Amino acid sequence: AIQMTQSPSSLSASVGDRVTITCRASQGIRNDLGWYQQKPGKAPKLLIYAASSLQSGVPSRFSGSGSGTDFNLTISSLQPEDFATYYCLQDYNYPLTFGPGTKVDIK
Amino acid sequence: QLQLQESGPGLVKPSETLSLTCTVSGGSISSSSYYWAWIRQPPGKGLEWIGNIFYSGTTFYNPSLKSRVTISVDTSKNQFSLKLSSVTAADTALYYCTRHVLASGFVVSYYGMDAWGQGTTVTVSS
Repeated sequence: AIQMTQSPSSLSASVGDRVTITCRASQGIRNDLGWYQQKPGKAPKLLIYAASSLQSGVPSRFSGSGSGTDFNLTISSLQPEDFATYYCLQDYNYPLTFGPGTKVDIK
Repeated sequence: QLQLQESGPGLVKPSETLSLTCTVSGGSISSSSYYWAWIRQPPGKGLEWIGNIFYSGTTFYNPSLKSRVTISVDTSKNQFSLKLSSVTAADTALYYCTRHVLASGFVVSYYGMDAWGQGTTVTVSS
């Protein structure tokens, strides 16, 4: 199975900060990666699919990049509602695997 | 607007079978554009993929659960279901059903899990 790692595991940031989260796959996965945001007590929400495509309705401050094994999720200007945990998911092949998550909290 | 709703017992005894159903409304489960998936999240932990099913009945399972998992689909009811046998406390989790979007094209690829149920908590305890 493809292993997904994320860094950092947590970060503290201020409103307005630029934040970048990294996801790394144990083998190449083309661009078959999505990013999900989860707030406490809520289901995950798809932000980015196919590594860099913005899901409909998601603010443009979210962007994704990368291909192969290394991927980034960037929030250009952190907003209060962005404090959450972020997960990557590879859907290149089965079994699908999630990263362990990155918790973004308020500095 | 598409909605997914999980249902099933919130408490299951050890060694018994966990059974959940996901009812899809606002769209057809019999679409060639989607797989349907189960995801779970143990308390305070990350997300784990359990398995996917296509409306035709094609399934993919997590190898770590494969011997205990069965996912099925009932197109007449617009539902898909999860059965997990021989449960232990380690199966205590929040269980989500989701829609996994198939990308168009010659190469099989996906556009992420774009719709999720609210989740249902299952506790394994005697």
